[in-house]
Amino acid sequence: EAGVVQSPRYKIIEKKQPVAFWCNPISGHNTLYWYRQNLGQGPELLIRYENEEAVDDSQLPKDRFSAERLKGVDSTLKIQPAELGDSAVYLCASSLDPSGKNFNEQFFGPGTRLTVL
Amino acid sequence: QKEVEQDPGPLSVPEGAIVSLNCTYSNSAFQYFMWYRQYSRKGPELLMYTYSSGNKEDGRFTAQVDKSSKYISLFIRDSQPSDSATYLCAMSAGGTSYGKLTFGQGTILTVHP
Repeated sequence: EAGVVQSPRYKIIEKKQPVAFWCNPISGHNTLYWYRQNLGQGPELLIRYENEEAVDDSQLPKDRFSAERLKGVDSTLKIQPAELGDSAVYLCASSLDPSGKNFNEQFFGPGTRLTVL
Repeated sequence: QKEVEQDPGPLSVPEGAIVSLNCTYSNSAFQYFMWYRQYSRKGPELLMYTYSSGNKEDGRFTAQVDKSSKYISLFIRDSQPSDSATYLCAMSAGGTSYGKLTFGQGTILTVHP
């Protein structure tokens, strides 16, 4: 079974340019997460989707970041305009129903490494 | 102060050594405690998880949670060069915060032959 797929793997852009990242979760996983991992740090949650609904976007910088998950499967994370401080690895993860009744593992993709010049 | 603190290392040990990795936390609502391993240029992968306090063993890996001290540990016995990676502790509360993981900054481990 394929894992979480992300593209592109690497992206280099100049500041003030837009950029978008794409994620395809594991088949059947209704919960999708976007994390940002700065160099030498652990991942930090940006947004969590349950199906099409964003249930936790409290850490998403909404002035420049946006995300969507159409049809409850694939998701896109966009930054417009990008700033130097946005250089990081953007990780997508997915899991089964996180109702809290049982532990549900989050499976991570390989990430997109963004460099803003 | 961060909710989860983890010594970043780096930690370098000879093959066969016992490795101890630790995290402390401040949020008493955390109930699930996880250890992830992350190889270079890869996403994190779950090694082990523990619910509430106690010990859990899986092969060469043992996870310990002491909620009274807000302290968790991961022990690796008979370490191998293939264990060289970044180890991340992560925690989550229950209820509506169930899916939200809070990570430590990660400890870089190198096991040399």
